[in-house]
Amino acid sequence: SAVISQKPSRDICQRGTSLTIQCQVDSQVTMMFWYRQQPGQSLTLIATANQGSEATYESGFVIDKFPISRPNLTFSTLTVSNMSPEDSSIYLCSVAPWTDTNEKLFFGSGTQLSVL
Amino acid sequence: SQELEQSPQSLIVQEGKNLTINCTSSKTLYGLYWYKQKYGEGLIFLMMLQKGGEEKSHEKITAKLDEKKQQSSLHITASQPSHAGIYLCGAETTSTDKLIFGTGTRLQVFP
Repeated sequence: SAVISQKPSRDICQRGTSLTIQCQVDSQVTMMFWYRQQPGQSLTLIATANQGSEATYESGFVIDKFPISRPNLTFSTLTVSNMSPEDSSIYLCSVAPWTDTNEKLFFGSGTQLSVL
Repeated sequence: SQELEQSPQSLIVQEGKNLTINCTSSKTLYGLYWYKQKYGEGLIFLMMLQKGGEEKSHEKITAKLDEKKQQSSLHITASQPSHAGIYLCGAETTSTDKLIFGTGTRLQVFP
């Protein structure tokens, strides 16, 4: 299985500031995804991070608010811009495995963000 | 768009009791994945179901997919405190690798 490292694991930020979350995978992967989990809620897909092209955003999420970078096949960042308390969530990076396995997605341990 | 509804939303059971969590899809499921999330942590893969009528077991957890491939159930036998967490079903969309997730079921097991 993939080893996915997310940084930071948690942070407390002031409203109006931005936070960049890093996701590092121990092997090259084609597909990387960013999910958000608001308090007491399920996971909502923010975007698909494509290597070499712009990210593909889901309905309700825009690039200005959640810019994503994917400079290579092992790394991606998600920035939460101009934060408000409503952005307080767990943000999860996930990757599709490159080997034949029943496990559809591997997940990082997440970044717990609190916005004051 | 496809939606996944889980029931119940939360469950509190005594250790040793059996329990069932359901996941219902608004559309035919092409692949159904069960994950467990410990509070504030990443997701742990449990099982994947693909064929109508399929059933899989791992230790004390059994998952089933109905014949019509629109509903799945997760059954835990003789629950233990280690089973506590949030259980999420995830559905494969038709043309991409991404998953959409159900509303989640929060399970607490008390001694």
